[in-house]
Amino acid sequence: EAGVTQFPSHSVIEKGQTVTLRCDPISGHDNLYWYRRVMGKEIKFLLHFVKESKQDESGMPNNRFLAERTGGTYSTLKVQPAELEDSGVYFCASSLDRHILNEQFFGPGTRLTVL
Amino acid sequence: DAKTTQPNSMESNEEEPVHLPCNHSTISGTDYIHWYRQLPSQGPEYVIHGLTSNVNNRMASLAIAEDRKSSTLILHRATLRDAAVYYCILRSLGGGSQGNLIFGKGTKLSVKP
Repeated sequence: EAGVTQFPSHSVIEKGQTVTLRCDPISGHDNLYWYRRVMGKEIKFLLHFVKESKQDESGMPNNRFLAERTGGTYSTLKVQPAELEDSGVYFCASSLDRHILNEQFFGPGTRLTVL
Repeated sequence: DAKTTQPNSMESNEEEPVHLPCNHSTISGTDYIHWYRQLPSQGPEYVIHGLTSNVNNRMASLAIAEDRKSSTLILHRATLRDAAVYYCILRSLGGGSQGNLIFGKGTKLSVKP
């Protein structure tokens, strides 16, 4: 069974440009999470989808970030316009349901560099 | 979710046991103790979880203190592949944050051949 996949693995963009990150969760997992680690900091939660609905977006840093999960399958995270402080590694995770006993399966991450 | 405290780093020799401690003195009765690890250049991966009793799985063992204010992740025979950052995370039943994981700084484990 395929794990969580993320695309691209790396992205280098100029400040002010737009970048879209994609996450494909494990098939059948209704719950999808986005996290990120910016330089020197801890991994931080961004938001949580249950199917196509945003369950919790309390971790989204500002309105330059837009996450979607149309159809409840893959998800995209768009940063527009990107700023220098957005550089970091963006992780996606999925789980079968949101019960705390269910493990979250993480993708390998997308490393975003904003110049 | 309650806060956890872990040492910043630990070293181990290959094929020796490793005990990774975690303090969670403010743990509540409904908090589960989860461990994840992050290998270099990879996303975090689940290791083990427990509530009160000690737990074993193919990856590790989890020893939980009787008062639940601390726990220890035990790798019985460390391999080079176990070099990673290990995170001790409390997850609570109920409340508004059931979904997301709250990562601390974790313990960076180095394994020497």
